[in-house]
Amino acid sequence: DTAVSQTPKYLVTQMGNDKSIKCEQNLGHDTMYWYKQDSKKFLKIMFSYNNKELIINETVPNRFSPKSPDKAHLNLHINSLELGDSAVYFCASSHAVGTRFQETQYFGPGTRLLVL
Amino acid sequence: AQSVAQPEDQVNVAEGNPLTVKCTYSVSGNPYLFWYVQYPNRGLQFLLKYITGDNLVKGSYGFEAEFNKSQTSFHLKKPSALVSDSALYFCAVRANNNNDMRFGAGTRLTVKP
Repeated sequence: DTAVSQTPKYLVTQMGNDKSIKCEQNLGHDTMYWYKQDSKKFLKIMFSYNNKELIINETVPNRFSPKSPDKAHLNLHINSLELGDSAVYFCASSHAVGTRFQETQYFGPGTRLLVL
Repeated sequence: AQSVAQPEDQVNVAEGNPLTVKCTYSVSGNPYLFWYVQYPNRGLQFLLKYITGDNLVKGSYGFEAEFNKSQTSFHLKKPSALVSDSALYFCAVRANNNNDMRFGAGTRLTVKP
């Protein structure tokens, strides 16, 4: 009955590898997000999709590519992983923001990525 | 662009005492303000939000926050702290005219027995 789920929970990998993180929500939301939380706990938005369409794309290296096969899923693929990519990545979802900017975001449990 | 400041990295209170976690914001247009809590190794959980109306907003776990437009603040409060309230608290703001939500740097609350 998990609302927003992410897999894997932990990911340890070598520099240069390519990895994906999956996110699924069963809340019927139309908008999904990816955030990065660094070691100092600072939370920064990376991407936002509304009905499978990219609506926010912050200054993120193009090694990061989000993919939304349907509005319940937003996966994050990372190419050529670097040490600085080590962080916790959170997926979130909300009702379609459109003009309803007051919508609450609901977060997944996070994926802890460690690049060695 | 909107921004949020949480001026305290750490807040320590004794159990049973009132607690306040501070947040100030900057936004063009009317703000939508949110508080989230993060327990260790967990995702963020929504506590409460201010959209419009009454400046005092009540949320989960006995928390409340007061919107103060003149001071551009949205401080989180609880009359009597519990040890289980110890966690990382994030304030966030979104303007009423775009999708971009910005989070503060977080405040670590420690409640001691």
